[in-house]
Order: sequence, then structure tokens, then C-alpha cells
Amino acid sequence: EIVLTQSPGTLSLSPGERATLSCRTSQNIGSTFLAWYQQKPGQAPTLLIYGVSSRASGIPDRFSGSGSGTDFTLTISRLEPEDFAVYYCQQYGFSPMFSFGQGTKLEIK
Amino acid sequence: QVQLQESGPGLVRPTQTLSLTCTVSGGSISSGDYYWSWIRQLPGKGLEWIGYIYHSGDTYYNPSLESRVSISIDTSRNQFSLKLTSVPAADTAVYFCARAHYNTGAFDIWGQGTMVTVSS
Repeated sequence: EIVLTQSPGTLSLSPGERATLSCRTSQNIGSTFLAWYQQKPGQAPTLLIYGVSSRASGIPDRFSGSGSGTDFTLTISRLEPEDFAVYYCQQYGFSPMFSFGQGTKLEIK
Repeated sequence: QVQLQESGPGLVRPTQTLSLTCTVSGGSISSGDYYWSWIRQLPGKGLEWIGYIYHSGDTYYNPSLESRVSISIDTSRNQFSLKLTSVPAADTAVYFCARAHYNTGAFDIWGQGTMVTVSS
């Protein structure tokens, strides 16, 4: 079973700063089936990035994804107040077919 | 614009069966492009994928829940449903329905989620 490990668990930054979130997979998943989501309290997750680096519809270009193999990164170039939330990575295709990382909480410093 | 909406009891007794339905509006569940999934989030925790159903009725479940899960589809009502049997208190969670495109495996549309509490 594949395991996704996100780091750090909590990231404390200020608006305007750059955020770098990491997702490491326990198996090589190539460069295709990795997505990122944002979740705010009491809401469903929102798709940000799919296919490692493609932004979902309506997602601002300050969000970008990169990586391949076992190491993936979500970067938020300049944090806006609405970006403080929990972020999850997700893989598709390795048992159990779909799985998520444990999340990174991005909080205001 | 496609929307998903979960419905079902908010309280289930231990050892009973949890049953939820997801209604799809603004699009057809019979589209061959999507996996229709159930995902849950235990209180204060991360996301756990439960399983999916394809428009053909083919299903695939998380091995950790496979012995207790079944997902069905009703194309005439544009709905798909989850049954989770013999629930313990540990199944208390927010349950989401969501769709993933088979090409990307990314969940692009989610329901708002429904809280289910397992308690006597």
C-alpha cells in the first residue's frame, strides 16, 4: 500500500510570503497522477492542482505544482489571507487506488 | 454546472448499517468519464477514500473497508449510494461524495459533506 507523507505538519507564514509544501510518496508514481487540494474549516476540499502541475479551473496562478517520482511540491508564490487553510496531496492508481496525505496546515504567523 | 449532494441519517446506532445517497445534478451520472466516489473525514483528521463506482456498475473499494462496504448506482435517478455495515463508533465522520475524472484521477467536484455520528 502506498503512503503519502506531507511536510511540514504546520507551516506558519505571513501574507505576501512564499509557501512551499512537500508531499513524498512511498513508491515511485511517475509524473502524472498527483493532485493537491485546499480545505477550509467546515468545507469540502477544493481541487487546486492535478497531473502534478496543471491548475484546476479558476485557480489563481500563484498556485503551482511540481515534482516527479516520489517527491512533489505545492508552491504558493505570494500568500493571500484566503490561502490559510489545510492542504492535501492525493495520488491515483496505486493501492488503494486513491489515497491522500495527512495534510499540511498553513497558518498565519 | 454539476453539483453533488449527500443525504441520509445523521445518527446511526453501533452495529447497524450506515446508508447515504449522493444526488448528481447538472449532469449525467451515466457519463463514462468519471469515477463516482465516497470519501470520509474522521473528526479532526485527514481524508480517507472509501470506494468508487463507474457508470457501468463496476466498483472498487479501499481494502481497509472492503468487507463492510458496498456502493451502488441508480442511473434513472442520477444517484449513487453507500452502505457501510456493522458500524462502530470509529466510523463517525463527515462523508463526502465526489467525482474523479478517469484521465486524471483528481476529484474536481465534491458534495458539501454530511456528518454521520455512530452512537447509541
